[in-house]
Amino acid sequence: KNEVEQSPQNLTAQEGEFITINCSYSVGISALHWLQQHPGGGIVSLFMLSSGKKKHGRLIATINIQEKHSSLHITASHPRDSAVYICAVSPGAFYNTDKLIFGTGTRLQVFP
Amino acid sequence: GAVVSQHPSWVICKSGTSVKIECRSLDFQATTMFWYRQFPKQSLMLMATSNEGSKATYEQGVEKDKFLINHASLTLSTLTVTSAHPEDSSFYICSARSSRTGGYYEQYFGPGTRLTVT
Repeated sequence: KNEVEQSPQNLTAQEGEFITINCSYSVGISALHWLQQHPGGGIVSLFMLSSGKKKHGRLIATINIQEKHSSLHITASHPRDSAVYICAVSPGAFYNTDKLIFGTGTRLQVFP
Repeated sequence: GAVVSQHPSWVICKSGTSVKIECRSLDFQATTMFWYRQFPKQSLMLMATSNEGSKATYEQGVEKDKFLINHASLTLSTLTVTSAHPEDSSFYICSARSSRTGGYYEQYFGPGTRLTVT
């Protein structure tokens, strides 16, 4: 079993829909990252969080440390949101992000 | 946000030649940089951790003589794929770790380099 599991693996949506991507992990962490990878390959760091909730534009990330679970929400989805969304965790009890453990990603396609 | 660049963005080379990929942190100093490899439709695989001024730490199964890493300054790390073979064709991504602020190290990713070995 992977230490970081994402669901769903693939997701299609109509433009305007509210989207949720889930990430569960089984190790102790100091932080959790949400990354976005577009078809061209480049990776953008969306959020890094260790508790609570963060919002940036139409993106919202939440984390529940006790339940070892995080969600990434996209409100009013748009075709340009189509990408692979990757959850990654910084393992360890301290703020040491030497190595990230990656989920396998969620491939999102938003259709007009 | 912080910016990390990679050069080249794509490269095609012949078997047996060597290829150098550069990773630069443009607006911050990075004492630590990471090199990842990604196969199609798979997640990132950490190859090595590069620390400025010291030898890189390679992950198990990664040949250090084949993938030479140099981190000569706080803003530049290079990955050289020596004697490249077609199986080295892949997408290589670097990331740079910023200084610790508020208890956190942030990691910023480069845009990646697609290597094709013919």
